[in-house]
Amino acid sequence: AQTVTQSQPEMSVQEAETVTLSCTYDTSESDYYLFWYKQPPSRQMILVIRQEAYKQQNATENRFSVNFQKAAKSFSLKISDSQLGDAAMYFCAYRIFGNEKLTFGTGTRLTIIP
Amino acid sequence: DGGITQSPKYLFRKEGQNVTLSCEQNLNHDAMYWYRQDPGQGLRLIYYSQIVNDFQKGDIAEGYSVSREKKESFPLTVTSAQKNPTAFYLCASSWGKLETQYFGPGTRLLVL
Repeated sequence: AQTVTQSQPEMSVQEAETVTLSCTYDTSESDYYLFWYKQPPSRQMILVIRQEAYKQQNATENRFSVNFQKAAKSFSLKISDSQLGDAAMYFCAYRIFGNEKLTFGTGTRLTIIP
Repeated sequence: DGGITQSPKYLFRKEGQNVTLSCEQNLNHDAMYWYRQDPGQGLRLIYYSQIVNDFQKGDIAEGYSVSREKKESFPLTVTSAQKNPTAFYLCASSWGKLETQYFGPGTRLLVL
């Protein structure tokens, strides 16, 4: 069975600094997708970034970027220039290519210190 | 505005009662999903539907039922057989089963 592990239940960062959230996953598949979702206090899940496993280049979206290490099965999220609005729960998720099911980690609560 | 709406925002259920959570999308997405979120846990898939009049069980379907009579609507019924229904329920949709899923604002279900 596929599993997603987020080993940091909570993280904090000073405003304007950079923080990295960790995610590891376990799979025997070679084709899959990885996602980071953000859940602010409103509790709506918002897609932050997506990575296709076949792509070697790490995905970036403005201040958000990933470090995808396929051999190590690691998918960390880097947030640069942290802003107060970045405070949220962040979930890492995995989906096998051709399969509808998203498997989620347990989340990391990110606090931004003004 | 295009998006996914869920109602109500809060729902209270009495013992032995069935309740229905609404999920509507105007994104013209084919696929729709229901997830359950418990404290300290990630989301778990309850049911999903790829097309109208068709749906499949997810990992935790027991005690739940769904219907997909219209493309834009995918209601979830929490039946009396679900013994621990208190949770946050999230609906999602995507263009197809292989596409990125986008989420609604959620419904908080509490048992009286």
